[in-house]
Amino acid sequence: DTGVSQNPRHKITKRGQNVTFRCDPISEHNRLYWYRQTLGQGPEFLTYFQNEAQLEKSRLLSDRFSAERPKGSFSTLEIQRTEQGDSAMYLCASSPEGATNEKLFFGSGTQLSVL
Amino acid sequence: AQSVTQPDIHITVSEGASLELRCNYSYGATPYLFWYVQSPGQGLQLLLKYFSGDTLVQGIKGFEAEFKRSQSSFNLRKPSVHWSDAAEYFCAVGDGSNYQLIWGAGTKLIIKP
Repeated sequence: DTGVSQNPRHKITKRGQNVTFRCDPISEHNRLYWYRQTLGQGPEFLTYFQNEAQLEKSRLLSDRFSAERPKGSFSTLEIQRTEQGDSAMYLCASSPEGATNEKLFFGSGTQLSVL
Repeated sequence: AQSVTQPDIHITVSEGASLELRCNYSYGATPYLFWYVQSPGQGLQLLLKYFSGDTLVQGIKGFEAEFKRSQSSFNLRKPSVHWSDAAEYFCAVGDGSNYQLIWGAGTKLIIKP
């Protein structure tokens, strides 16, 4: 068990560019979550997958954001036409099937800076 | 509206002193309450949780928290802090079946030597 892995750790991009982040959950975990965290705030839920199915999406997830988990293992979060307001830490978490929120295991996050 | 309030943005305590971090919530249903810790460069880690039963819950690293329904509070305590406890602490509330936890803004704990 190597924990939840996120890549890259840091991403600097220019406004208008597209970026993609990757999350590798704990291998036996069926559920995968994406959160966004800005400075001085707690995490905000973005979306949630069970296996490859995207079951919930927050209204924060505008049409510029898309998340996939094609084989029910790793997930990607893409932001198109980035804006300065997208600058934040993007967190991924996973949990085993049947667990409630108590079993969230978080990665270290990807820090996005949009210039 | 559902919300979690952590009134203290920063708290500074001396090493070896006791600690209490405050958390107040507003939630329409029976709350499931959590404390997570976030150390620099590390992922959020669950310290403890309350679902039901005994209102005083024990967690990892010597932390405990007490659920007080009448005060809508779930304060985190530790009798004696260590320098390694310096981190940011987040309180969160959920309903157990919904994966959209509502998070507080966090309290940054600073330890004085």
